[in-house]
Amino acid sequence: NAGVTQTPKFQVLKTGQSMTLQCAQDMNHEYMSWYRQDPGMGLRLIHYSVGAGITDQGEVPNGYNVSRSTTEDFPLRLLSAAPSQTSVYFCASSEIATNEKLFFGSGTQLSVL
Amino acid sequence: LAKTTQPISMDSYEGQEVNITCSHNNIATNDYITWYQQFPSQGPRFIIQGYKTKVTNEVASLFIPADRKSSTLSLPRVSLSDTAVYYCLVVPSYNNNDMRFGAGTRLTVKP
Repeated sequence: NAGVTQTPKFQVLKTGQSMTLQCAQDMNHEYMSWYRQDPGMGLRLIHYSVGAGITDQGEVPNGYNVSRSTTEDFPLRLLSAAPSQTSVYFCASSEIATNEKLFFGSGTQLSVL
Repeated sequence: LAKTTQPISMDSYEGQEVNITCSHNNIATNDYITWYQQFPSQGPRFIIQGYKTKVTNEVASLFIPADRKSSTLSLPRVSLSDTAVYYCLVVPSYNNNDMRFGAGTRLTVKP
């Protein structure tokens, strides 16, 4: 059982480049979300989705876009990368959107030069 | 959102019981208390969740007093592999989007 799969594990970008972080889950979970974690800090919510076709902003959404065309996939797009987006990104999912334990992927470490 | 306060770091030795206390003075009636564990280079992993009194599973116990203004995560007989960051969260029962991860408690288990 794969759970939540994130790709790539590592990525280096130059300022202004764009890229998409991939997230897929095979548990048929309705709820998916993206977090970023900066050194020595907790996780901050970027965007979330409560089901296919439905997305919304979290605590720190600026500079990121998401879409949810299928239940399984929830990609995170950086349209024009900035050094401030250097971070570790985690995707998570849960069965439903209310008070259910989150399952996290192993993360993508992104460096923007 | 209820703010949580927990120690930044703790040290322990193998075989000891470790208790990590979290303060959440402004917890609301609908809020649950949830703990996650994070190893280096991994995403957080759910450990335990409770509303009041005591909850126990195969990994840990969670003690919540009647006023619910604090909670204590208890790890019995820790081993080196329990070295990790532990996060205490107060989560509304109606919304996953208000889950706020603070800096957590960095537990170091020594031989």
